[in-house]
Amino acid sequence: SAVISQKPSRDICQRGTSLTIQCQVDSQVTMMFWYRQQPGQSLTLIATANQGSEATYESGFVIDKFPISRPNLTFSTLTVSNMSPEDSSIYLCSVQLGGQETQYFGPGTRLLVL
Amino acid sequence: GENVEQHPSTLSVQEGDSAVIKCTYSDSASNYFPWYKQELGKGPQLIIDIRSNVGEKKDQRIAVTLNKTAKHFSLHITETQPEDSAVYFCAATRFTSGTYKYIFGTGTRLKVLA
Repeated sequence: SAVISQKPSRDICQRGTSLTIQCQVDSQVTMMFWYRQQPGQSLTLIATANQGSEATYESGFVIDKFPISRPNLTFSTLTVSNMSPEDSSIYLCSVQLGGQETQYFGPGTRLLVL
Repeated sequence: GENVEQHPSTLSVQEGDSAVIKCTYSDSASNYFPWYKQELGKGPQLIIDIRSNVGEKKDQRIAVTLNKTAKHFSLHITETQPEDSAVYFCAATRFTSGTYKYIFGTGTRLKVLA
């Protein structure tokens, strides 16, 4: 498995502002993923972030709203831009190790937008 | 599109009883089926998984069964304990475009009553 940390763990933000979430892994991984989990809901994939290439976004998510950086094999950031109350969610990063199918999740960032 | 149905959405059992959660998937190309446990305020944690070439897998009090013909798989927890109380998510996964694509179920909130 992998040890994954996220910062911040939670935040309360004003609408119209932006928040950058950091994800740090204790080992080098090729595949990192960002998910959104709205209150009481399941996990929805936002994008796949591979080191050295542009992130691949899922339908309904765009780079202008959720820009992602992947500067190296142990770190990624997700920015939630121009936030509205509808962006209040848990944001999770996950990783896949080597060629394995399993995804391991970070603890999540709990975002409340007022 | 692909989807995973999960039932029940909530489940209450007495401590010591068994709990069963069922998932049905639509994508016949799915070949890896993990189960995650998410405790309050934490990220999802992998508890057991099964691959399509196996019909059943057990790990202490937890077991998973897979019926590929019917496209459904189930999580079985025996001798439940209060610490089993959490939200459980199933997922169906297949390899596509260079990565394993996860489709998550809608989650089951399990409450074990002491």
